[in-house]
Amino acid sequence: DQQVKQNSPSLSVQEGRISILNCDYTNSMFDYFLWYKKYPAEGPTFLISISSIKDKNEDGRFTVFLNKSAKHLSLHIVPSQPGDSAVYFCAASAYRSGNQFYFGTGTSLTVIP
Amino acid sequence: GAGVSQSPSNKVTEKGKDVELRCDPISGHTALYWYRQSLGQGLEFLIYFQGNSAPDKSGLPSDRFSAERTGGSVSTLTIQRTQQEDSAVYLCASGQGSSYGYTFGSGTRLTVV
Repeated sequence: DQQVKQNSPSLSVQEGRISILNCDYTNSMFDYFLWYKKYPAEGPTFLISISSIKDKNEDGRFTVFLNKSAKHLSLHIVPSQPGDSAVYFCAASAYRSGNQFYFGTGTSLTVIP
Repeated sequence: GAGVSQSPSNKVTEKGKDVELRCDPISGHTALYWYRQSLGQGLEFLIYFQGNSAPDKSGLPSDRFSAERTGGSVSTLTIQRTQQEDSAVYLCASGQGSSYGYTFGSGTRLTVV
């Protein structure tokens, strides 16, 4: 039972344009969300997070939006750069469940120079 | 060390053999996760250690899998009587709490032949 879903396995974007990666979740108890970036042959690296008390968190070129009513979050990368090409995972946790993180299946982003 | 260290980085084993995977978390991190990523799949939760609390073993796929964390630091994941479906990249992550995200190691690529 996939509690966190990333329905787009891949995305291609031109350099300089906006990349939008989407993530949906089913468990309304989730109250903390993270995005990780993964290059081949490396472990995922933490990118940005958001708690359920917010609907937006921004860090440089990366912004995460949370729509609790729709159980949807998205990661925006503006402007996209070739070095952003990687697999992006969203993850969610519920404090009351001991902070076990549930990951989506990932979206492979390719930024075309 | 500065990051999460996993060993070995690659392991090829014969079906039916036991394997032991090691994770050295970042010093001081109280939380430690094991995940695995099978080919074309997302990150699958296996087990979670938090301080001195009883580990959350709910993700272990069968009783052939076990993990321990000695002294709140190093963790070993043991797979007994390996099967071909155990082939995956096994990732370890450590952290101080969800607000800071988690740092992943580079993983152990396990191939069961």
